[in-house]
Amino acid sequence: QITLKESGPTLVKPTQTLTLTCTFSGFSLSTSGVGVGWIRQPPGKALEWLALIYWNDDKRYSPSLKSRLTITKDTSKNQVVLTMTNMDPVDTATYYCAHISGDSDYFDYWGQGTLVTVSS
Amino acid sequence: EIVLTQSPATLSLSPGERATLSCRASQSVSSYLAWYQQKPGQAPRLLIYDASNRATGIPARFSGSGSGTDFTLTISSLEPEDFAVYYCQQRSNWLFTFGPGTKVDIK
Repeated sequence: QITLKESGPTLVKPTQTLTLTCTFSGFSLSTSGVGVGWIRQPPGKALEWLALIYWNDDKRYSPSLKSRLTITKDTSKNQVVLTMTNMDPVDTATYYCAHISGDSDYFDYWGQGTLVTVSS
Repeated sequence: EIVLTQSPATLSLSPGERATLSCRASQSVSSYLAWYQQKPGQAPRLLIYDASNRATGIPARFSGSGSGTDFTLTISSLEPEDFAVYYCQQRSNWLFTFGPGTKVDIK
């Protein structure tokens, strides 16, 4: 079965760079149509899509955050890494990674999420 | 960037009642719209994709309709486990946005 799990720091200081890793199993990021995306959710607020990487290394970013985000993949390790620069307290949120299949092209499997707090 | 609005913000209903949730896009997204359900402390779950297709394992009481800019999620008869927050999400021009959500709570 498909599983995803986010890992990374729970606390970062303002201006620091956040690096999150999504480790997955049950699928390969070399399979045509497959992708992994990142979505975040501030406490008590709505979901916000951040970035997505496809099997062919095509990358998509939220226009409002594009300058701060980088998404990469390591197919051999079954991992996707998201970096976000210049962190601010408003970036405090639960960060999710999620799978996209070539069939539906929507987020059909999600990780449990990891809460990242930005504070000095 | 395409903006999604959802209405109402909160829907207070009783078990067994019909729920109708609305999602409107700032410009046409064709049928590239999905609905997710999220319960407290859990990740979202995909319910409907491409406006009207139920995802794997989703009960038939959930249905979606619409195209272009106006979409609807209908829950035909609310079960106790359906009280949650529902988000719509579009994928147009290979970019994604979510709506602000509709909370369905118990009246």
